[in-house]
Amino acid sequence: SQQGEEDPQALSIQEGENATMNCSYKTSINNLQWYRQNSGRGLVHLILIRSNEREKHSGRLRVTLDTSKKSSSLLITASRAADTASYFCATVPLYSGAGSYQLTFGKGTKLSVIP
Amino acid sequence: ETGVTQSPTHLIKTRGQQVTLRCSSQSGHNTVSWYQQALGQGPQFIFQYYREEENGRGNFPPRFSGLQFPNYSSELNVNALELDDSALYLCASRITGGRYEQYFGPGTRLTVT
Repeated sequence: SQQGEEDPQALSIQEGENATMNCSYKTSINNLQWYRQNSGRGLVHLILIRSNEREKHSGRLRVTLDTSKKSSSLLITASRAADTASYFCATVPLYSGAGSYQLTFGKGTKLSVIP
Repeated sequence: ETGVTQSPTHLIKTRGQQVTLRCSSQSGHNTVSWYQQALGQGPQFIFQYYREEENGRGNFPPRFSGLQFPNYSSELNVNALELDDSALYLCASRITGGRYEQYFGPGTRLTVT
């Protein structure tokens, strides 16, 4: 089952604009990660934020986490056509038994950046 | 490129048949997970293998089974294929006890007719 939802489901912006995607989840987490997927192929890890962190930056990416609201957002600044892809948030539960490490994904946001 | 490879890239099978998908983990990674991604959905966790033992399983029936070999390569086997098994199957590797990030392969697109 899916952990939560990304919002919006689809987003279309002009090159150079900022893109913001939101993610909600249901259970207590150890960390939350964002992944990118091009054209239904493999996922690429973008950034990880731990449950005790509120904000994290990596290049043009900014991630925030609000554990009280069980939500996260991903901001991509100065978007480029090459950023066109689907973006997924994935959570790791607070307690994982016997080293089991299960990522629970949302349904994703499909981002289109128009040149 | 993550260093995780999967084969085959595409596969077409008939309902009721059996299929084996293969994954070669990134060098040094001792844990492999398999995910199923239906069209338009996020990936769903099937199971995880560590030191050749299954140590975590999602909500998938027993006809989904796997193996992990000493060289950390892995197989996903699906018996009695159903139409709903049509999906992209992704494997991901990591080092247990290491960083949390998983490294995904490019996936195998399975179509069941």
